[in-house]
Formats: sequence, C-alpha cells, structure tokens
Amino acid sequence: QKEVEQNSGPLSVPEGAIASLNCTYSDRGSQSFFWYRQYSGKSPELIMSIYSNGDKEDGRFTAQLNKASQYVSLLIRDSQPSDSATYLCAANTNAGKSTFGDGTTLTVKP
Amino acid sequence: DTAVSQTPKYLVTQMGNDKSIKCEQNLGHDTMYWYKQDSKKFLKIMFSYNNKELIINETVPNRFSPKSPDKAHLNLHINSLELGDSAVYFCASSSSSGGASYEQYFGPGTRLTVT
Repeated sequence: QKEVEQNSGPLSVPEGAIASLNCTYSDRGSQSFFWYRQYSGKSPELIMSIYSNGDKEDGRFTAQLNKASQYVSLLIRDSQPSDSATYLCAANTNAGKSTFGDGTTLTVKP
Repeated sequence: DTAVSQTPKYLVTQMGNDKSIKCEQNLGHDTMYWYKQDSKKFLKIMFSYNNKELIINETVPNRFSPKSPDKAHLNLHINSLELGDSAVYFCASSSSSGGASYEQYFGPGTRLTVT
C-alpha cells in the first residue's frame, strides 16, 4: 500500500463544473497536509494547506481533512481551463517527513 | 526576487561522470529538501536538512551526497552517473515551525539527462 494514494486519473470536467480530487494516507503520524499544482514542465506550486479536521476555503478551492478516515480532498469550484494541471497531495509528519501521492491529472474542457 | 533557485536548469552528461546541482533559498526557511521526479512524474523525497543537519535520508544510492553549507543552501553531488539517474531534480524549502510549517516552496528544477 502506498503511503499517500490519490484517485486515479486522468480527471476531465467541463468548464464551470466542480472538480473533486481525493487522497488517502496511511501514516497516522501525519499532521499536516498539502495540495500542490504542477503544470507540465514546471515545478510544484503550493495551493492549499490544511492542518485540522474540517474544511478550509480559499477562493475557488476548498480542502477537506478527516483524520479519523485518513482522508484529504480538494474541491475546485467553477473550474477553468487554466486549472488543467497535475494535482499532488502531500502528507507531512512532525518529524518533517514529506510523502507525495502520484498525482491526479485534471483537464478542464472549455 | 527568486525564492528558491537552482543551477543549472539543464544538465546533460555521460555515464560515469560526476556532477553537482546547487540550490539557494532566500525565504529564511530552516528546512530544505531534494526531490527526484522521474519520467512517470512521481515525486520522491531524497533528502531533507533542517538547520544544516540531515534529518531525512531516504533509500538513495550513496553516489548521491547532499551538502548544506548553511541554512540557505543545499547542494547535491552525484558520483558515477548512471542512465537511471536521468530525471528532474527539485529543491524545496519550508519552515519547520509556525502556522505555515512544512509548506514547501519548490525551485524550478534541474533536468538531468545521462547519456
């Protein structure tokens, strides 16, 4: 079992729809969780961080964390073609160990 | 102002050579990382340093040797390069404390091609 698993892609949604990206993690010592966006040929860019159970909203992005279920998600509302990228989920322990999922490639079709 | 910079951006070399990649951050972070991203785009942590001390050393061949002369710099030296070392290497940095702990900022990457 991978330490951080993301829903298999690719994911395709029409412009204006909600894109839902999911992630589960196996290390119960994980305390902080992140979503990064990576455009093709570019470096990962942090878009959301979440540290406690519940929802965290930032513009069109909402991250959800459920530590009991070891589940993290990212919702992108009103998806735009510019959101087309690979989204990486990451989990960190307090010791600084950082584990990334394989990524989910999202395509938003105009 | 570039937050995390890496040099070189591209590196093409032959098998058996030794090469180095340099990384610098001006964010005042205390933790720096090296990642390898292979052709399947899987991002795997190699090393992590906190205040110049090695804290994470994943299963990486000992041909790879990181060096952190100070908190703002983390270099990666690779000996006896092999074809399988071809990948994009990313440097990243973060703070290990505070409200934004472990939010990582990545450099632009170094694309290493071994022929």
